[in-house]
Amino acid sequence: NAGVMQNPRHLVRRRGQEARLRCSPVKGHSHVYWYRQLPEEGLKFMVYLQKENIIDESGMPKERFSAEFPKEGPSILRIQQVVRGDSAAYFCASSSLAHSTDTQYFGPGTRLTVL
Amino acid sequence: AQSVTQLDSQVPVFEEAPVELRCNYSSSVSVYLFWYVQYPNQGLQLLLKYLSGSTLVKGINGFEAEFNKSQTSFHLRKPSVHISDTAEYFCAVSEEGSYIPTFGRGTSLIVHP
Repeated sequence: NAGVMQNPRHLVRRRGQEARLRCSPVKGHSHVYWYRQLPEEGLKFMVYLQKENIIDESGMPKERFSAEFPKEGPSILRIQQVVRGDSAAYFCASSSLAHSTDTQYFGPGTRLTVL
Repeated sequence: AQSVTQLDSQVPVFEEAPVELRCNYSSSVSVYLFWYVQYPNQGLQLLLKYLSGSTLVKGINGFEAEFNKSQTSFHLRKPSVHISDTAEYFCAVSEEGSYIPTFGRGTSLIVHP
């Protein structure tokens, strides 16, 4: 059984470019979460999606950031016009249920560096 | 809203010594508690979770944690650590009715030979 897959693992962008981060959840999981981890900080929730729907984007910056989880294919976190402050590790997690008791399974992360 | 405090940012310990990583939370409703481990350059992996029942929870790799409702704590313990336990450990809490856990800032466990 494949776990959560994320690619690329490392991404370098110059200021003003776009970053596209991909996440394939555990097979059969329909709930996807994106988190951002800054150095020496915990994970901060960004957005929660189900297939074709954004359920909760309360943790995502209003500008430049967007996320989708299409009917077919991986979930995408898109950052437009990146700035140095966007440099962080971005983790995707998936779960089979959307319940407070459910375990989230994490991918290995994408480490974004903005030059 | 819930919050999680991991009191120690770094815990150095010698191999085969016992270790305790502290976690306190605050919430006004029922909570579920989790410990995750993150090895270098990897994602988070669930160690154990408390949902209900026995307050002592056993997880993978010999770790256990005890839920103490009166002290709002969920400390993680291992009686004898290995070099391979060197990693970042995150405590997380989910409130009843919420699907988004809140994570602590993490504790870096450093095991010395």
